[in-house]
Amino acid sequence: AQTVTQSQPEMSVQEAETVTLSCTYDTSENNYYLFWYKQPPSRQMILVIRQEAYKQQNATENRFSVNFQKAAKSFSLKISDSQLGDTAMYFCAFMKHAAYGGATNKLIFGTGTLLAVQP
Amino acid sequence: EADIYQTPRYLVIGTGKKITLECSQTMGHDKMYWYQQDPGMELHLIHYSYGVNSTEKGDLSSESTVSRIRTEHFPLTLESARPSHTSQYLCASSIWTDFYNEQFFGPGTRLTVL
Repeated sequence: AQTVTQSQPEMSVQEAETVTLSCTYDTSENNYYLFWYKQPPSRQMILVIRQEAYKQQNATENRFSVNFQKAAKSFSLKISDSQLGDTAMYFCAFMKHAAYGGATNKLIFGTGTLLAVQP
Repeated sequence: EADIYQTPRYLVIGTGKKITLECSQTMGHDKMYWYQQDPGMELHLIHYSYGVNSTEKGDLSSESTVSRIRTEHFPLTLESARPSHTSQYLCASSIWTDFYNEQFFGPGTRLTVL
């Protein structure tokens, strides 16, 4: 079974600074996807960034980037130039790769990291 | 934001009542999901559906039931609510993209059973 661990329940960062959120996972699968989701207070959860395990290059989306270490099973999220709107709960999630019509593509979530961006 | 809706957003109800949490999406997605999220905890999948007339239980055992009569609608029902059902319930739907299903989430229903 797959597990996802986020060891930082809460973090704080000053506006415009950089912060890194940690995530480790455990799986025997070789092909899978990793995600970071953002859940702002009282708002919908949205996908921030995803990484395909077979790609060595780390994914980036504007101010968001990941450090994917497949051998170490580590998947951290770096937020550069933090903004007040980045304040949210961040969830790391895992999904097995599956051919079309195959598995449910279930997401396995970590417990989340509550990030507060201070002005 | 994705076009997936949940009603009500907040519900406080007494023990023993029957409740239905609504979830609708306008994206034509075939797969839909219900997750349960306790405060400070991860999301756990409780139900999913591949399409109309298809429903399966998820990883976390739940006393709730679901139905999928229409593609866009995936309601969750609790026949007799109990305080242990107090939680946030998130609905999601997905579209096939590059060998995985990118999931879009609704805003959630926060349920409190007294």
